Amino acid sequence: QKEVEQDPGPLSVPEGAIVSLNCTYSNSAFQYFMWYRQYSRKGPELLMYTYSSGNKEDGRFTAQVDKSSKYISLFIRDSQPSDSATYLCAMSAGTGGFKTIFGAGTRLFVKA
Amino acid sequence: DAGITQSPRYKITETGRQVTLMCHQTWSHSYMFWYRQDLGHGLRLIYYSAAADITDKGEVPDGYVVSRSKTENFPLTLESATRSQTSVYFCASRETSAEEQYFGPGTRLTVT
Repeated sequence: QKEVEQDPGPLSVPEGAIVSLNCTYSNSAFQYFMWYRQYSRKGPELLMYTYSSGNKEDGRFTAQVDKSSKYISLFIRDSQPSDSATYLCAMSAGTGGFKTIFGAGTRLFVKA
Repeated sequence: DAGITQSPRYKITETGRQVTLMCHQTWSHSYMFWYRQDLGHGLRLIYYSAAADITDKGEVPDGYVVSRSKTENFPLTLESATRSQTSVYFCASRETSAEEQYFGPGTRLTVT
């Protein structure tokens, strides 16, 4: 079993829809949770960063962490065609270590 | 330019040849990383470096060599390229006290 599981999709939604992207993990030591967005033929760019449990909102994006269920989510409100990309979750235990584990990524298509 | 850059962006080489991928960052981040990204595997860590002259293996180090004589540069060398090393390679960096990583644009390497 992988430490981080992420549905690869593809996920196709109409413009304006609310998108929910999710990852599950098995390592209870993870405390730092990140979401990266990767456009085709580009490097991943940091989208959201949260520490421990709870929600964090930034514009149309909300990151949610449920450590008791080992489940994290990224919600995109009012999705736009420009949101079409691959979204990777990532997490680490911190403590200065190098080990950040990435999900395989979910491909999202937002249709105009 | 500020940020993290990689060169070349595209490279085609033959089996058995040595090839070096370059990575340069202008933030003076202590940590630098090399990942490869393949369909079905997501991002896999090849090598990382905590500071100049300090490097260590990641998940898939075989066939690769790194060095870090200066904080800003972290070259990755394939000593004798194999077809299985055909991939997209990403360099990333982060601050010592942070968990979020910042990625370069990637190098698309094809070994024929």
